[in-house]
Amino acid sequence: TQLLEQSPQFLSIQEGENLTVYCNSSSVFSSLQWYRQEPGEGPVLLVTVVTGGEVKKLKRLTFQFGDARKDSSLHITAAQPGDTGLYLCAGELGKLIFGQGTTLQVKP
Amino acid sequence: ETGVTQSPTHLIKTRGQQVTLRCSSQSGHNTVSWYQQALGQGPQFIFQYYREEENGRGNFPPRFSGLQFPNYSSELNVNALELDDSALYLCASSGTGTGRQKLFFGSGTQLSVL
Repeated sequence: TQLLEQSPQFLSIQEGENLTVYCNSSSVFSSLQWYRQEPGEGPVLLVTVVTGGEVKKLKRLTFQFGDARKDSSLHITAAQPGDTGLYLCAGELGKLIFGQGTTLQVKP
Repeated sequence: ETGVTQSPTHLIKTRGQQVTLRCSSQSGHNTVSWYQQALGQGPQFIFQYYREEENGRGNFPPRFSGLQFPNYSSELNVNALELDDSALYLCASSGTGTGRQKLFFGSGTQLSVL
């Protein structure tokens, strides 16, 4: 059983489209992080959200932490081929627990 | 400032053998975490070391063991390798063993067990 459920698991879209990735759990986290991983590399931290309801923006990426600190979403506006990769959410419960990831493919 | 480095990058072993993976943490970091990542999946927490002591362990059998050295580098040892141990093994360092963690990952060691 996955503590953090990400959806969708795979997403293939055209350049310029918008998308949202969801990360859900029944557990409450002290913080939640989003990472991006490219093939052959380790995950790279994009953002950390801490407060329930918090919204953070990183260029075309918008991250939101749920009010109850059990879920989060990542929204990408006008996706570009360079956004292609594996997106991982990770919740902190003493240690970082990762979701199973969302593989995003953006086609030119 | 040097990043997290892992060695070797690739490794092929046969079932039943033993393997040692190495990790040098980022300068100034005293905590190392190890993760196992199957293809297309999220990393699974193996264990964490803080100041040379194990500081938390995931759902992995005892044949997965580790060490952290005084310079905060670390090793992951796996005994009696099984086919399902084939995966990318990631090491991540962070600046503290407790509280909010910001992990810096290495590029991983790709282990294939035949």
